[in-house]
Formats: sequence, C-alpha cells, structure tokens
Amino acid sequence: GQSLEQPSEVTAVEGAIVQINCTYQTSGFYGLSWYQQHDGGAPTFLSYNALDGLEETGRFSSFLSRSDSYGYLLLQELQMKDSASYFCAVILTYNTDKLIFGTGTRLQVFP
Amino acid sequence: DAGITQSPRHKVTETGTPVTLRCHQTENHRYMYWYRQDPGHGLRLIHYSYGVKDTDKGEVSDGYSVSRSKTEDFLLTLESATSSQTSVYFCATTGGQTGNSPLHFGNGTRLTVT
Repeated sequence: GQSLEQPSEVTAVEGAIVQINCTYQTSGFYGLSWYQQHDGGAPTFLSYNALDGLEETGRFSSFLSRSDSYGYLLLQELQMKDSASYFCAVILTYNTDKLIFGTGTRLQVFP
Repeated sequence: DAGITQSPRHKVTETGTPVTLRCHQTENHRYMYWYRQDPGHGLRLIHYSYGVKDTDKGEVSDGYSVSRSKTEDFLLTLESATSSQTSVYFCATTGGQTGNSPLHFGNGTRLTVT
C-alpha cells in the first residue's frame, strides 16, 4: 500500500524556523503537495514539488528528494497565524485521479 | 477561490438510517472528491469522480456510495449509518489531475451518528 508519515505535532516560538517532514512509501507518484488547515477550517493548498529540490514561496519552502523518499515543508519567520495543521499529499502514478494525504502535523506557535 | 458548497454543515442521525451529503461547485471542475477527516488519520479518500457518471473508490469506501449526475453536484450517501462514520466530511474539486492543480475544499460537514 501507500503511506505518508508525518510527525503528529511540532511546537515553536514566533520568529523561529520549523521543518515539517513527510516520509513516504509508495511505488510512484507525480509530486509532493502541501496543504494547511486551521482549526475548524478547510484545507488550503500551499505548494507543490514536481521535481527534486527546493521550491520557495515567501516564508514557506518545500523540498523533495525522491531517492530518499522524503520531503519537508520549511516555515520561516513563524507567526502566530501559522498555528495550524499541515498535510503532505501525493497523486499516485498508477492512478492519476487520486490525491492521498499524509497523517498531518499540528504546528503550535507560541509567543 | 472555487465556489464549493457542502450541505448540510452539521447533521446528527441515528444508527441504521441513510444519510446523503451534497457537494455543489460552480467552477465547472472535472474532478470531485469526498474525504473524511478523523483525529490521527488525516484526510482519507472515500470516493471520487473524474466526470459525470464516472466514479471510483478511494481508501475507505465501504459503507458509502456516490453519484454524479451533473458536473456541479457530487452526492455522498451513507447507506446505513454507523457510529464509526461519525466524522467530518470534506468535498474537494480540481480542474486538473496533476499535483500542481490544487484541490479546493468545501467547508466540511460534521456528521454525528448516535
């Protein structure tokens, strides 16, 4: 089967940098996406890595290494509003219609 | 953002009753998905649709059925609700099938089965 594993919870203080890891076991996929979800809200798209390497979007960066079956989301200059859950997700190559999500990481930012 | 409306937003029902959740989109997106979200499990795919009358199963499809008779509507039916189906259900849509065509989510339906 396929699985994407993430740490269940990460804590940090305002202004800090935090990395949320996503390790996966899947036979093949098109790329790694990241979504953010605030408590009581709907998930929203953050980033997508089609190729290995680092993609930067403002304070957020995402990284993918297919050889290591590993990716991460890097959040810099943390703000209180970044407190949320973060999910990695992949579309499987043998069925390009399915987007499978990781278990999710709850980030708590403290003042 | 994509106009996705889920109804109802909240529902309480009894074990053994059928329940239908509705997802309506105004973006003419081809792909529509139903996920359930439970603590410790993240988002799990129930069923999805890749076109009108074209649907397929996801990871946790047992006890659920779907229908899509129009591009804009995707219905999820719990044939006989059980307490294990208490969850938050999210509908999502996308116009493309690759990872860089992001999913747009509705605001969710909180379902409680007593």
